[in-house]
Amino acid sequence: GNSVTQMEGPVTLSEEAFLTINCTYTATGYPSLFWYVQYPGEGLQLLLKATKADDKGSNKGFEATYRKETTSFHLEKGSVQVSDSAVYFCALRIGGSQGNLIFGKGTKLSVKP
Amino acid sequence: EPEVTQTPSHQVTQMGQEVILRCVPISNHLYFYWYRQILGQKVEFLVSFYNNEISEKSEIFDDQFSVERPDGSNFTLKIRSTKLEDSAMYFCASSFRDTITVVYEQYFGPGTRLTVT
Repeated sequence: GNSVTQMEGPVTLSEEAFLTINCTYTATGYPSLFWYVQYPGEGLQLLLKATKADDKGSNKGFEATYRKETTSFHLEKGSVQVSDSAVYFCALRIGGSQGNLIFGKGTKLSVKP
Repeated sequence: EPEVTQTPSHQVTQMGQEVILRCVPISNHLYFYWYRQILGQKVEFLVSFYNNEISEKSEIFDDQFSVERPDGSNFTLKIRSTKLEDSAMYFCASSFRDTITVVYEQYFGPGTRLTVT
C-alpha cells in the first residue's frame, strides 16, 4: 500500500542549528510529495512540494529533494529559528491532482534560543 | 489572505450523540476534504467531495459519517452516533486547480477537536 514514514520526534535544537527531518515513502505509481507545517493552534500549511523525481522544493529556507532511488523526501534547513518550532508532516499524493493526501505521523520540532 | 475556517474549535459530546462539524472553505475552491488525526497518530483521509457528491472515501468513512454542502459556502461532516474512538482532531481542506502548475494545493483549516465521553 501507499504510506509515509517520518522520523519520530520530538526534535529539540538550539537556534541556528542544522535541521534534518527524514521522510521515506512507499507508493504505487508516481506520487507528488509535500511537507506541511502546523504551528501551535493553527491548521496545516503547505511548506513545500515536489511533483517529480529530482525536483527540489524550497520555501522559507527549508528544502527537500524528491529522491526516487531512495524513496525519500528529507526536509532540511541550514539554520533554524525559534519561530520554526512546529509540527512537520511529510505527505504524498497519488491518483490524480485532486487526490487525497497520505500523511506521516508528524515530527515536533522545538527550537531553543 | 483567504483561509479555511472551522467551527467549533472544540466539541465535547456523549457517546451515541450526533455531531456536526462545520467548515467554510475558501470561496473559489471546488474540491473539499475531511481528514482526522487521533492523538499521537497519523493524519488520515476521510472523504473528498466535488460537484456536490463524494468523489472518494476511505474505509474509516462508514455509514455513521456523512458530508454535505448545504448552502454553497459551508461544508459539513456529520457523525450520526459518536463512539469513543471518534475522538480526534478533524481537519477540513479545500483546493482549486492551479492552471499553471496543475497542482491542486490543499488549504487546511485549524481543525475541530472532538472529544467523545
